[in-house]
Amino acid sequence: KQEVTQIPAALSVPEGENLVLNCSFTDSAIYNLQWFRQDPGKGLTSLLLIQSSQREQTSGRLNASLDKSSGRSTLYIAASQPGDSATYLCAVLYHSNYQLIWGAGTKLIIKP
Amino acid sequence: DTGVSQDPRHKITKRGQNVTFRCDPISEHNRLYWYRQTLGQGPEFLTYFQNEAQLEKSRLLSDRFSAERPKGSFSTLEIQRTEQGDSAMYLCASSPNFGNTEAFFGQGTRLTVV
Repeated sequence: KQEVTQIPAALSVPEGENLVLNCSFTDSAIYNLQWFRQDPGKGLTSLLLIQSSQREQTSGRLNASLDKSSGRSTLYIAASQPGDSATYLCAVLYHSNYQLIWGAGTKLIIKP
Repeated sequence: DTGVSQDPRHKITKRGQNVTFRCDPISEHNRLYWYRQTLGQGPEFLTYFQNEAQLEKSRLLSDRFSAERPKGSFSTLEIQRTEQGDSAMYLCASSPNFGNTEAFFGQGTRLTVV
C-alpha cells in the first residue's frame, strides 16, 4: 500500500531558527514529490517539486531533498519567520496511478 | 490566466439538497484532479480527468457524487442528497500532461452541510 507519513505532526520554534520537516513514503516507484503550504481554511500553495531523477530543489529559504532509496524527503527552512507559520504537506505522485498520495502535514508555528 | 479557480468558495446547504462546484484549471493543463480534505487531514483523492476523459475514480466517491469535464476545460463536481459527512473542503488541481507535472491547486470550496 502506498503511504506517506510526515513527522512531526506539529512543531513550534522561535523566529530565526533553521528547521527540518520530514516526509517518508513506502513505495519508491515515484514520479515526483511535491511540498505544499496550506494556511488555515485556505487552498494549497506549491512550494517545491522534485522529480524522481533529482536529489534536491531550492527556492529562496527553502530546500527540499529526495532520497528515493530510503523513501524520504526533507524540507529545510532557513532563518524561519513568523510568516512561515502554516501547515506543510508533502505529496507523492506515483507512476502507477497518477494520483497524489498525501501526508497528513506538519503544523508549523514560528514564535516571534 | 492566474491559476486554478474554484467557485463558490463557500457553500452552506441543508442535508438532502444537491450542490454543484466548478473548477477552472490553468488553460494549458490536460490533467484535472478533485480532492476532499477534512480538518487536520491531508487531501483524499476523489477523481482524475485527462482532457475530457475521467480516468480514475476513488472508492470514496459514492453514487451520490459525479464529476464531469465536458470539453476538457472546466470541470464540475456534483453531490446529490448531501449528508453531514460530506462537509469538507473540496480542492481542485490541474497539471500538464508531460514534462514538469507540478500540480497547482485552487483555493477550494468549503462545504458545510447542516
